[in-house]
Amino acid sequence: GAVVSQHPSRVICKSGTSVKIECRSLDFQATTMFWYRQFPKQSLMLMATSNEGSKATYEQGVEKDKFLINHASLTLSTLTVTSAHPEDSSFYICSARSRVGRADTQYFGPGTRLTVL
Amino acid sequence: AQSVTQPDIHITVSEGASLELRCNYSYGATPYLFWYVQSPGQGLQLLLKYFSGDTLVQGIKGFEAEFKRSQSSFNLRKPSVHWSDAAEYFCAVGTGTALIFGKGTTLSVSS
Repeated sequence: GAVVSQHPSRVICKSGTSVKIECRSLDFQATTMFWYRQFPKQSLMLMATSNEGSKATYEQGVEKDKFLINHASLTLSTLTVTSAHPEDSSFYICSARSRVGRADTQYFGPGTRLTVL
Repeated sequence: AQSVTQPDIHITVSEGASLELRCNYSYGATPYLFWYVQSPGQGLQLLLKYFSGDTLVQGIKGFEAEFKRSQSSFNLRKPSVHWSDAAEYFCAVGTGTALIFGKGTTLSVSS
């Protein structure tokens, strides 16, 4: 149980184009999903918290107009990198939160490697 | 301030030897603690978690961790390491709304 998928796993795009990444919780409903960015040899940096049916909450320094997040259902959140540039190249990982009682656990997707040429 | 420290950036262990990865946290309330493992180019897999109760937590793949409140630590252990355990290990504390990650420890396994 608690499986999270991401699609695509790898994408290469030209500078100036937009890329959409999907994150799905396959066997549980997630009212909250998270988007992280990871640079090589570094830890995960939280970009935004996505709540089903409401606007995402972005961390300080993350451009909300560049990284569009939509959480239209309890099992799907999307991250769209708009007008991508080479500096946006990174590993993007989503997670979905499963809550039992007061405790909650985040389950992570396999990640999406974005390369902007 | 809330933080997680993993003092060891890189550890090399011989296959079959025991392993301990250190994790210290700073958090004002009762922490929810996690260990995740990441293989190259992959997402994070949950190894184990501590919410309350028994301070010795068993996880998957033969890993265990012990919560020591007096030392603000949550060290990960495995009695006998396998070559497939080579990966990046992250300790995290849950604040109720988000996870705060340590910087990770890279585990290499020598034959």
